[in-house]
Amino acid sequence: QVQLQQSGPGLVKSSQTLSLTCAISGDTVSSNSAAWNWIRQSPSRGLEWLGRTYYRSKWYNEYAVSVKSRISINPDTSKNQFSLQLDSVTPEDTAVYYCARQGTGWFGAWGQGTLVTVSS
Amino acid sequence: EIVLTQSPDFQSVTPKEKVTITCRASQSIGTNLHWYQQKPDQSPNLLIKHASQSFSGVPSRFSGSGSGTDFTLTINSLEAEDAATYYCHQGDSLPYTFGQGTKLDIK
Repeated sequence: QVQLQQSGPGLVKSSQTLSLTCAISGDTVSSNSAAWNWIRQSPSRGLEWLGRTYYRSKWYNEYAVSVKSRISINPDTSKNQFSLQLDSVTPEDTAVYYCARQGTGWFGAWGQGTLVTVSS
Repeated sequence: EIVLTQSPDFQSVTPKEKVTITCRASQSIGTNLHWYQQKPDQSPNLLIKHASQSFSGVPSRFSGSGSGTDFTLTINSLEAEDAATYYCHQGDSLPYTFGQGTKLDIK
């Protein structure tokens, strides 16, 4: 059974960088059949997919247009985890952030969620 | 971007009642539609994948149907523990999108 454990600060100042990590157990980040996603949830935006990383003979990244200029999702094979970096945050980036494992389109395992508050 | 519209937004129901939640996609997505349950202060949990396939460990009272643009999640014989918000999600094309959610309140 795949389990995802998130870590990272819950408070970030405006204009700074939000950084979260998702540690994987029960699977590997370089799996050829999974993709590793970040999703956030806020009252104003609902559930919003941010992006993903996955390995299919080489590494791929795909991002939502709304954050594409500010986001980076990176795998760390040595620690079997992946990370989210979101630059130049504003209070509108305040949300609960989730990492999630994607099977064939569906998200079958989720991290516990991290409430990130951006202070102005 | 594919827009998913759920109905209703909120429903108050009694135990043992049958509940139907619908999700309409702004364009055809085949059966690439998945359903999740989210309880307060918890992460979403997958219930149904590919419109009608039950995910491992999900009670048999949960079922899904539909294809193309119209989909349905049905909960037969509702139990008190089913109080939650339910979301549909399309995994057909990027960016992945979710419905706005349907909150079920148990009377």
